[in-house]
Amino acid sequence: EAQVTQNPRYLITVTGKKLTVTCSQNMNHEYMSWYRQDPGLGLRQIYYSMNVEVTDKGDVPEGYKVSRKEKRNFPLILESPSPNQTSLYFCASSRTAPLARNFYEQYFGPGTRLTVT
Amino acid sequence: EDQVTQSPEALRLQEGESSSLNCSYTVSGLRGLFWYRQDPGKGPEFLFTLYSAGEEKEKERLKATLTKKESFLHITAPKPEDSATYLCAVRSPSGGYQKVTFGIGTKLQVIP
Repeated sequence: EAQVTQNPRYLITVTGKKLTVTCSQNMNHEYMSWYRQDPGLGLRQIYYSMNVEVTDKGDVPEGYKVSRKEKRNFPLILESPSPNQTSLYFCASSRTAPLARNFYEQYFGPGTRLTVT
Repeated sequence: EDQVTQSPEALRLQEGESSSLNCSYTVSGLRGLFWYRQDPGKGPEFLFTLYSAGEEKEKERLKATLTKKESFLHITAPKPEDSATYLCAVRSPSGGYQKVTFGIGTKLQVIP
């Protein structure tokens, strides 16, 4: 089954304790992305990756890190989490078109609900 | 900067009462407008992609249309199971790479 998986699904942590949220896709997609979703603000892009070793900032990258060492995995790292990073996080992936003339739909993971106290 | 505005923020319909959701966008070089459906606590689920003005896509009770400035999601004779938040997103080659901008969404409630 084609899917995007995220782990953990729920996480409660304390300020300053480093954490990693994993994301994996089995569709051989080049493009992967992380979003956070907050009430009244919608989905906002944190980081995205066009392919292995190619990453770029989205609209809200502060306080987050990513890496793309393998095509299927795109972990999100919070080096020193703070309460304002409490949110619902989604990972997504999509294929890309030759020459990037048109972009394709994204497939989303089930979400990770993070609470930082 | 790419912008997406969805209206209304919330919509309550009686079962069978057709209506439309709006997505207005401002983007430099549209490379795709996407509609997603999101159920509470779940990841968005893809519905449609539109690439150029005049394009239309249809699936069951849903029909998406696109102009140069906005897109509409028409819901014909909705059923309670159509209740969800509908999200609109645009992708553009902003900065040379692929950025995605989402609207806040329209929360649809269909009452039996």
